[in-house]
Amino acid sequence: QVQLKESGPGLVQASETLSLTCTVSGFSLTSYHVSWVRQPPGKGLEWMGRIRSGGSTDYNSALKSRLSISRDTSKSQVLLKMNSLQTEDTAIYYCTRSAYNSFDYWGQGVMVTVSS
Amino acid sequence: AIVLNQSPSSIIASQGEKVTITCRASSSISSNYLHWYQQKPGAFPKLVIYSTSYRASGVPSRFSGSGSGTSYSFTISRVEAEDVATYYCQQGSSNPFTFGSGTKLEIK
Repeated sequence: QVQLKESGPGLVQASETLSLTCTVSGFSLTSYHVSWVRQPPGKGLEWMGRIRSGGSTDYNSALKSRLSISRDTSKSQVLLKMNSLQTEDTAIYYCTRSAYNSFDYWGQGVMVTVSS
Repeated sequence: AIVLNQSPSSIIASQGEKVTITCRASSSISSNYLHWYQQKPGAFPKLVIYSTSYRASGVPSRFSGSGSGTSYSFTISRVEAEDVATYYCQQGSSNPFTFGSGTKLEIK
């Protein structure tokens, strides 16, 4: 069955770089797009960006200067890197599979706290 | 960016009641790219309705969606206790993909 699982540090210092990994199973990264979506505590959802099945990327312009999404198809992993973290980046980070630009499968999410 | 104005922000309904949530977009969206999610407390969002009106796998028939252009709606025909959640609309028509601010459904 389709599964996505995020992993990474729960605590990051302000101004440092966040690195998260999404490990997928049950589908191929060369057949589906994978997006990252985040949710600050008690707030709504924000699409961050995606890596397409062909390997190209799209980013939310609000984050583009700080964000990089890549993949390792041999490991079925999608990687997120975001630099210059601020306390406002404290959130649950989800990876999701895309279909018709909807998000049909989600990981459980990883809570990232940015400490000043 | 396309802004999605979702209303109401909260609903308190009785079991068996019909509830409707609206989602108005700041620009026209293809109906293929308007989707709805359910997020129960402490859980990740779950796709409920995709492409305006298609129920995702396993979603009960009491959930439905409709709309076109800039105006969309999501309906639960007879609310059940298990439907307590926050519901979000989302557009995948143009980058950046955006979500509505959410509607929190509670049961009386």
